[in-house]
Amino acid sequence: GAVVSQHPSRVICKSGTSVKIECRSLDFQATTMFWYRQFPKQSLMLMATSNEGSKATYEQGVEKDKFLINHASLTLSTLTVTSAHPEDSSFYICSAEQGRSVDNEQFFGPGTRLTVL
Amino acid sequence: KQEVTQIPAALSVPEGENLVLNCSFTDSAIYNLQWFRQDPGKGLTSLLLIQSSQREQTSGRLNASLDKSSGRSTLYIAASQPGDSATYLCAVRGRDDKIIFGKGTRLHILP
Repeated sequence: GAVVSQHPSRVICKSGTSVKIECRSLDFQATTMFWYRQFPKQSLMLMATSNEGSKATYEQGVEKDKFLINHASLTLSTLTVTSAHPEDSSFYICSAEQGRSVDNEQFFGPGTRLTVL
Repeated sequence: KQEVTQIPAALSVPEGENLVLNCSFTDSAIYNLQWFRQDPGKGLTSLLLIQSSQREQTSGRLNASLDKSSGRSTLYIAASQPGDSATYLCAVRGRDDKIIFGKGTRLHILP
């Protein structure tokens, strides 16, 4: 099946710094990519949907100025957590979809664990 | 607003037993339902994807069923093994095109 990678897999940073997470579709072009986060013992929650070449659509309660999403190409989307704080520590997972049919399967990356000290 | 519930939250069974995990959703207008496996601290592994027009999917020892009208899905695991220990997540894709996840069932297979 299709492969989605994320980099880095783990990152530890100091409070106030910014962290960039990359999501790549390795063997297909992803028209749409999605970003989720998962707090301990909680379900994955959709943060935003990004379409190549356009602005991301953020879910209610997600600060777009804090979580910057760039989907510059059909194989790469980035999530930048700006001025990270300890409460941003979470597991961030991206997914990618080929084409834009609702029957399409989303393929998930392996996740990035962010720890903010 | 779609809500996805998974029962039980945790389950321990002896190795070799067959088991069933349950998933329910409040809005039956879905496009598909997917079962995932998540190991501690890891990402998601897709197990089975059932389109709304389908009633079940099978892969090896796994069988997932979908009853869209009643808002239910089950994941059946046959002849459980210690390696099956993980958290199993159910997710539905609604008419708004968004995927909503349940909180998962933590499964522990006792050797």
